[in-house]
Amino acid sequence: GENVEQHPSTLSVQEGDSAVIKCTYSDSASNYFPWYKQELGKRPQLIIDIRSNVGEKKDQRIAVTLNKTAKHFSLHITETQPEDSAVYFCATNTGGFKTIFGAGTRLFVKA
Amino acid sequence: NAGVTQTPKFRILKIGQSMTLQCTQDMNHNYMYWYRQDPGMGLKLIYYSVGAGITDKGEVPNGYNVSRSTTEDFPLRLELAAPSQTSVYFCASGYEEQFFGPGTRLTVL
Repeated sequence: GENVEQHPSTLSVQEGDSAVIKCTYSDSASNYFPWYKQELGKRPQLIIDIRSNVGEKKDQRIAVTLNKTAKHFSLHITETQPEDSAVYFCATNTGGFKTIFGAGTRLFVKA
Repeated sequence: NAGVTQTPKFRILKIGQSMTLQCTQDMNHNYMYWYRQDPGMGLKLIYYSVGAGITDKGEVPNGYNVSRSTTEDFPLRLELAAPSQTSVYFCASGYEEQFFGPGTRLTVL
């Protein structure tokens, strides 16, 4: 069935360093790829998304890249700050209501 | 806009009790979802709805029921609560981007 694998499950970086989280998916019909951030005790919230007709999208310190041929997409956070510490979920969507979430990456940014 | 709201925020149930988790959205979304999130884990889809009167099972529906009589409301019913249902429950709405409610933290003892 449809599957989204997310790596790593835990990531620890020094403040100011970059962080990269990678996801691979199985359904070639996927055409919408959102990333959600969940702070401790809070709800998941969308931080950036990309569609299948775009290879890269950037919003200040965060960027997402998509390789449709290889079926993988990545979240890049530059100049990390302590407030970036959270769980990040990638997801895929085939253009309908059904979203498949990855298992999540717990990011720790050490001051 | 309040977005997606959920009540209650916290609840403790005894084994075998029942309860309804309430979810309301004011964004006129047709699509609504219920997820559970166990400690340190990801999101598992319990039930979803594509419109009033239409619901379907997700990945982990056993022990739960839903109804969707209006566009705004999507309550989740737990019958005969079990310790395995201890979790945080998130309601969400949206077509591609999902908007999540604040969650209900449920403990079954």
